[in-house]
Amino acid sequence: DTAVSQTPKYLVTQMGNDKSIKCEQNLGHDTMYWYKQDSKKFLKIMFSYNNKELIINETVPNRFSPKSPDKAHLNLHINSLELGDSAVYFCASSEPGLAGVEETQYFGPGTRLLVL
Amino acid sequence: AQTVTQSQPEMSVQEAETVTLSCTYDTSESNYYLFWYKQPPSRQMILVIRQEAYKQQNATENRFSVNFQKAAKSFSLKISDSQLGDTAMYFCAFMKSANFGNEKLTFGTGTRLTIIP
Repeated sequence: DTAVSQTPKYLVTQMGNDKSIKCEQNLGHDTMYWYKQDSKKFLKIMFSYNNKELIINETVPNRFSPKSPDKAHLNLHINSLELGDSAVYFCASSEPGLAGVEETQYFGPGTRLLVL
Repeated sequence: AQTVTQSQPEMSVQEAETVTLSCTYDTSESNYYLFWYKQPPSRQMILVIRQEAYKQQNATENRFSVNFQKAAKSFSLKISDSQLGDTAMYFCAFMKSANFGNEKLTFGTGTRLTIIP
């Protein structure tokens, strides 16, 4: 009964490959996010989706393409992987609170991506 | 743009003692939320506590409490009776109020807290 789940937890791949990370939430939330945590532990937003619609795209290279088949899923596909893509990628979800304001974001366990 | 600053990269404290982690932020918004997240070695991001800016009362969750000073844009986390399981990276985060996924969490750089047995 995990709230926000991600697969895989670890991903090791060669430069130039294409890979996907999947995220699913069973909280019934409308909004989902992808964050990237770099080697210095700094966390930064990449994308957000609300009910399958892209809301935030935070100047991420277009090699990164999020896809939301339904509001419970937000997958991240990465083309032509580069060494600098090595990081931990977190999925999160949240629901509207009072007056539709997005409130607390709940995070998945993270996916550690290592590009060789 | 919002910024969040955590000026203590690392801290350590003896088990059972009290420790305070500092966080300051900069924003021109009047309505927003502040959060503390904990990231233990397992890497999971765990919500510790949240504060709505419109509330004057400081949030508390068991051994965790905050000192929210809106005018000073300060949001410190106090951990009382610290336990070994509190060892983790702690991130302060800001989110302005908006509608339906338009907003994001802006994180500080984190404080690595070690509880010494």
